[in-house]
Amino acid sequence: DTEVTQTPKHLVMGMTNKKSLKCEQHMGHRAMYWYKQKAKKPPELMFVYSYEKLSINESVPSRFSPECPNSSLLNLHLHALQPEDSALYLCASSQLAGGLFAKNIQYFGAGTRLSVL
Amino acid sequence: ELKVEQNPLFLSMQEGKNYTIYCNYSTTSDRLYWYRQDPGKSLESLFVLLSNGAVKQEGRLMASLDTKARLSTLHITAAVHDLSATYFCAVTGGATNKLIFGTGTLLAVQP
Repeated sequence: DTEVTQTPKHLVMGMTNKKSLKCEQHMGHRAMYWYKQKAKKPPELMFVYSYEKLSINESVPSRFSPECPNSSLLNLHLHALQPEDSALYLCASSQLAGGLFAKNIQYFGAGTRLSVL
Repeated sequence: ELKVEQNPLFLSMQEGKNYTIYCNYSTTSDRLYWYRQDPGKSLESLFVLLSNGAVKQEGRLMASLDTKARLSTLHITAAVHDLSATYFCAVTGGATNKLIFGTGTLLAVQP
């Protein structure tokens, strides 16, 4: 099973709202990721959690706040977003195996399509 | 800074024809991945290539890697409509598992 589950699938929010995106995996992966994807563009990395600790923050504005409560769950808390933050938000997970032959494939969830009004 | 370029950006081809998508990257990388994305959907892992000369095949798709040229190719044999999608290559950057994606190739297979 290579399933990463994201909720909700769609979210519409105003600029003053607070909402959260959720991501869950049960593959025993110790790395989890948030990506943002605009239409007709490749995904852009936002955050990486390794062993439940934030290891990469790609200079994301503080209105996006990630959280990793345990090894299976990843949240993205949203507050005071701007219309330009409207995008598809993708969660992914992977192993963190070392060595030359470690594949460390990132498996992606179906995404949350976010619209900020 | 690691950069990944794909070409072409858009490819319209007829069913039954063959074509190749190219992926160039700027610095040494440990792993190269190919993903497929259908419109409005998530990314599906197709291949991971780990070493120079690696070749992987699945159905009508074949991926190869030349680490010396920093080039990967995705070859499509006898295209069918079901292959219509956007294809991304991606490489890992540095000591992390950070994925750097190429620009993507939108493939449209016409009957």
